[in-house]
Amino acid sequence: KNEVEQSPQNLTAQEGEFITINCSYSVGISALHWLQQHPGGGIVSLFMLSSGKKKHGRLIATINIQEKHSSLHITASHPRDSAVYICAVRTPSSNYQLIWGAGTKLIIKP
Amino acid sequence: NAGVMQNPRHLVRRRGQEARLRCSPMKGHSHVYWYRQLPEEGLKFMVYLQKENIIDESGMPKERFSAEFPKEGPSILRIQQVVRGDSAAYFCASSPRDRYNSPLHFGNGTRLTVT
Repeated sequence: KNEVEQSPQNLTAQEGEFITINCSYSVGISALHWLQQHPGGGIVSLFMLSSGKKKHGRLIATINIQEKHSSLHITASHPRDSAVYICAVRTPSSNYQLIWGAGTKLIIKP
Repeated sequence: NAGVMQNPRHLVRRRGQEARLRCSPMKGHSHVYWYRQLPEEGLKFMVYLQKENIIDESGMPKERFSAEFPKEGPSILRIQQVVRGDSAAYFCASSPRDRYNSPLHFGNGTRLTVT
């Protein structure tokens, strides 16, 4: 079993829909990252969380440390949100090696 | 305020040649990390460097791969005698500190194709 599990693996939705991507982890963490990767493109760090909730524009990230679970939400989704969304965790033993989820491929149809 | 700059974006090499990948961290960042993403796989840590020091190279293959981060200039990931299995996207990230609450900033990656 992977230490970081994302669901769903693939998600297709219509423009305007509310999107939720989930990340569960089985290790103790010091922080959790949500990142975005466009096809053939670079990686953009969206959020780094160690507790609670963060919001940036139409993106919201939450984390529940007790349940070892984080969610990334996209409100009023748009075709330009189509990308792979990756969850990665930092553990207390290593701040940089990161344990990466497999990613969720999101397609937003107009 | 430029972000992490990687070049080249795309690099094609024949088997046996050398590949040099460059990473200029964000201004003020002295910690550089290299990750590799094989096709259809997640990212894997390769090496962590500070200026003139390799801190952790536990994720780097023992042979043919080397990395440096000189006092002046970008960090370089060097792959000698490339093989087809080296074809991947190589990402560099930088941070101002090696702390759990220090954000990582990623570059756009270098896509290496070995023919």
